[in-house]
Amino acid sequence: GQNIDQPTEMTATEGAIVQINCTYQTSGFNGLFWYQQHAGEAPTFLSYNVLDGLEEKGRFSSFLSRSKGYSYLLLKELQMKDSASYLCAAMDSNYQLIWGAGTKLIIKP
Amino acid sequence: GAGVSQSPSNKVTEKGKDVELRCDPISGHTALYWYRQSLGQGLEFLIYFQGNSAPDKSGLPSDRFSAERTGGSVSTLTIQRTQQEDSAVYLCASSLEYREASTDTQYFGPGTRLTVL
Repeated sequence: GQNIDQPTEMTATEGAIVQINCTYQTSGFNGLFWYQQHAGEAPTFLSYNVLDGLEEKGRFSSFLSRSKGYSYLLLKELQMKDSASYLCAAMDSNYQLIWGAGTKLIIKP
Repeated sequence: GAGVSQSPSNKVTEKGKDVELRCDPISGHTALYWYRQSLGQGLEFLIYFQGNSAPDKSGLPSDRFSAERTGGSVSTLTIQRTQQEDSAVYLCASSLEYREASTDTQYFGPGTRLTVL
């Protein structure tokens, strides 16, 4: 079956770096998406990877290894406003997104 | 429009009543998606539209759920004879294309919080 695994919750300190991991198993693969969702709000798009390697976008970077079925989202210089859930989603061969349950990131001062 | 809009933002209804949720996608987006999210849970895919057609309705939880899209724009999700387990946030998203991964980024609306008493 198709499956996405990511940690349920992580805690980090303001100003530090945190890496949120995601492993996926899908029927075919057409890319990996990361979304940010603040409590009570809709998810917002962060990144899309379809080739192996690291994509950097400001304080956020996303990495993909297709051979390992693995991705991570790296957040640098953490700010309190980064407290949110981070959703990993893999696109299968039918271009359907398979969503993880999300990782709740708690930032402490 | 500037973004995906949904209405109402909140809906409280009594068990057994019908409800209709509306989604206005981003102008020019051909693909539209409905999801359900229960408190503290991930996204549950319900249905997608490519234009006005919905090729895959298998995500709908029961035959009490139906959705339509007219004119390739606005979509409505209807839940008949609501049950307490239908209580959730219903999210709508749209994307420029479907089956074109590079342009398939989904943009979400603010959601409708449905509470069934």
